[in-house]
Amino acid sequence: DSGVTQTPKHLITATGQRVTLRCSPRSGDLSVYWYQQSLDQGLQFLIQYYNGEERAKGNILERFSAQQFPDLHSELNLSSLELGDSALYFCASSISGREDTQYFGPGTRLTVL
Amino acid sequence: LAKTTQPISMDSYEGQEVNITCSHNNIATNDYITWYQQFPSQGPRFIIQGYKTKVTNEVASLFIPADRKSSTLSLPRVSLSDTAVYYCLVGGGPSDTGGFKTIFGAGTRLFVKA
Repeated sequence: DSGVTQTPKHLITATGQRVTLRCSPRSGDLSVYWYQQSLDQGLQFLIQYYNGEERAKGNILERFSAQQFPDLHSELNLSSLELGDSALYFCASSISGREDTQYFGPGTRLTVL
Repeated sequence: LAKTTQPISMDSYEGQEVNITCSHNNIATNDYITWYQQFPSQGPRFIIQGYKTKVTNEVASLFIPADRKSSTLSLPRVSLSDTAVYYCLVGGGPSDTGGFKTIFGAGTRLFVKA
């Protein structure tokens, strides 16, 4: 158990819908990262937050957005969902100054029908 | 950004030592080398990290030559449960806001056979 929690574990929805994925980092970790992993794309970095502020952005679509709240939990919002958004979404966290050592949550499996 | 190159896949048998090499020619002076392990449908798990020479923990060893342009993850006496994808990560490069833009490569799929 990495100490990072993600909810829900599974999510099934229809095209055009909007969903919110939630992540709670390890206690004391200020940085949160979001990743998308689909069969044909590997592990893709989406975005990093540090203590509530966006710090780095990867290949995140404009239909996707994220935020980190004062209690350090983070949410990833996916809107206008398409079939191609079906994937595993992972959240990770790290301590300040050791961003290369990330602890991953169990992931949320999103299926868009 | 330090790009990494690893073999796409490797096969081994139980009880053998497995060495997976990662090339990272453009590694920056302050970059560490980190290896992760990922089982199907699970998040990657930190295995080992090093900066230079050799690092060993209860799971693996990491060998880094003096020029740091490559590294080798060594798994002693693998078992069936070591079948997984192994990622080599070197830094991630700075973003405009000073964040950490993590870049995972394709990884190496290790298949351990009985």
